[in-house]
Amino acid sequence: LAKTTQPISMDSYEGQEVNITCSHNNIATNDYITWYQQFPSQGPRFIIQGYKTKVTNEVASLFIPADRKSSTLSLPRVSLSDTAVYYCLVGGGFKTIFGAGTRLFVKA
Amino acid sequence: EPEVTQTPSHQVTQMGQEVILRCVPISNHLYFYWYRQILGQKVEFLVSFYNNEISEKSEIFDDQFSVERPDGSNFTLKIRSTKLEDSAMYFCATQGVNLSGELFFGEGSRLTVL
Repeated sequence: LAKTTQPISMDSYEGQEVNITCSHNNIATNDYITWYQQFPSQGPRFIIQGYKTKVTNEVASLFIPADRKSSTLSLPRVSLSDTAVYYCLVGGGFKTIFGAGTRLFVKA
Repeated sequence: EPEVTQTPSHQVTQMGQEVILRCVPISNHLYFYWYRQILGQKVEFLVSFYNNEISEKSEIFDDQFSVERPDGSNFTLKIRSTKLEDSAMYFCATQGVNLSGELFFGEGSRLTVL
């Protein structure tokens, strides 16, 4: 399983765009990159998944460079309710492992 | 939107007691998981279950833990003799037909061992 590295925490202000980058140097050819969001005392919730280039949905965008050794989750115009822990996961299969995640704190 | 349902939402038990946590998966999902999260720590993988047998388990999932899907719907996690350090949130997650696909998590069961 590819190991991921992401910042422990980030601060932002309401209305700003937030970019969280995850490094995954050992990503395998058939691995997908998936991001989850977790609020306190709740289960993680899927945000977005991609394999290469750019993926966009109603919540976020995911940018993946050609070498796929990193990925960037982009949250446009964050609000206070986006304060959460964001996890980058690579691969999965029967043993999907969560790292420590990035704790995003959005301030007014 | 389909959801994973977990019961109980909170259970308090005495050390040494048996606990069963229940999960109702999203129908037609094939892969089932249990994770736990000790307060303030990261989400830890416990076990995965497919086709009525364990697929993978972590070192946390020792002989005190077991899983089953007795009636083809509920997916249960049993802790035979609880310890203080078993106090945590336990999350059930299910996945459709694709192992690379999204994991759907329940709201969790908070276990407090006294």
